Parts: sequence; structure tokens; C-alpha cells
Amino acid sequence: QKEVEQDPGPLSVPEGAIVSLNCTYSNSAFQYFMWYRQYSRKGPELLMYTYSSGNKEDGRFTAQVDKSSKYISLFIRDSQPSDSATYLCAMSLIYNQGGKLIFGQGTELSVKP
Amino acid sequence: SAVISQKPSRDICQRGTSLTIQCQVDSQVTMMFWYRQQPGQSLTLIATANQGSEATYESGFVIDKFPISRPNLTFSTLTVSNMSPEDSSIYLCSVDKNYEQYFGPGTRLTVT
Repeated sequence: QKEVEQDPGPLSVPEGAIVSLNCTYSNSAFQYFMWYRQYSRKGPELLMYTYSSGNKEDGRFTAQVDKSSKYISLFIRDSQPSDSATYLCAMSLIYNQGGKLIFGQGTELSVKP
Repeated sequence: SAVISQKPSRDICQRGTSLTIQCQVDSQVTMMFWYRQQPGQSLTLIATANQGSEATYESGFVIDKFPISRPNLTFSTLTVSNMSPEDSSIYLCSVDKNYEQYFGPGTRLTVT
């Protein structure tokens, strides 16, 4: 069993839709949870990170962590064609220099105009 | 933030040869990381490189296959040695700055 599971998609939605992206994990010791966005032929860029359980909001993006269920989510409101990318969840035991990140497989999202 | 460049951006190599990938950061960083992203797979950490010390390799990766240099605080190289088609992948350099991890654009390697 992989430490982090993520549905690879692809996921196709119309512009303006609410998108829900999810990951499950097996290691209950993970403390920090991150979402990265990766455009085609580019490196991943950090969107959001969350410590422990709870919600975090940044503009149209909301990250949720449910440690009891070992489940994290990223919601994108009012999705735009520019949101079309692969979204990777990542998590680690610690969040300082040298913290090893464990990534999900990535979900490919396409937002149609 | 950190701006990271990698060379080459892509290459096609013959099996049995070696390729050295360069990573340059626009500011000094303590730790640099090398990841591999195989088709349809998640990013996997190969090794962590500190300036002035031996790189630390993750399980399944060995120095003879992936030698790493870290001559200063802004530069690192990863060599993929004695390549086989299974080494076809995207190799990404990453740095940790202000508790956020930044990634380079990647080097797309195809081994024939």
C-alpha cells in the first residue's frame, strides 16, 4: 500500500465549477500537509500548506485536513481555465529544513471554458 | 522565494552512458534535494545534498548510480550513471527556503 493515495484523474469540469481534490494517507504521524500545482513541463509550485487538522483558505482555494480519517482535500471555487494543471498533495512528518516530502500521484485537472 | 534553473531541460541518451544534470539557485540555501518523477508516478526523493558533506540517499537509490556534487551553496549536480530505459524520467532539483520547498523546472530524460 502506498503511503499517500491520490486519484490520478483526469478530472474535467466546466469553468465556474467547484473542484474537489482529495488524498488519503496511511501514516498517522504526518503533521504537515501541502498542495502543489504543476503546469505541463514545469516544476511543482506550492499552493498551500496546513499544519495538523483544520481548514485553511486562500482566495479561491481551501485546504482541509481530517487527521482522524487520514484524508485531505483541496477545494477550488469558481474554477478557471488557468487552473488546468496537475495537483499534487504532499505531506511530511516535520516542516523544517530537511523535512522529507511524500507525494501523491497527482490529479490532472482540466477546466473547460 | 527561490528561482531554480536546471540544465539540460531535456535529453535523449543511449543506454550505458551517463548524464549530468545541473541545478542553479538564485540565492544561498543549506539543503538541496533531487527528486525523480516517473511517468504516471508520484515524485520520489532520490537524495538530499548539503554543501561540504556527502549526500544522503533514500532507500532504493545508491551513490554509484546517482552521484551528487554540491560544491557551493547555490549549485548542485546529479549524474545518472550507466543509464537504462528504466531511468527515463523527469529529474527535479528542489530547495528548502523559509520553510517552503521550491522546485526547478525539471530535466526530461529519455533513455533509448
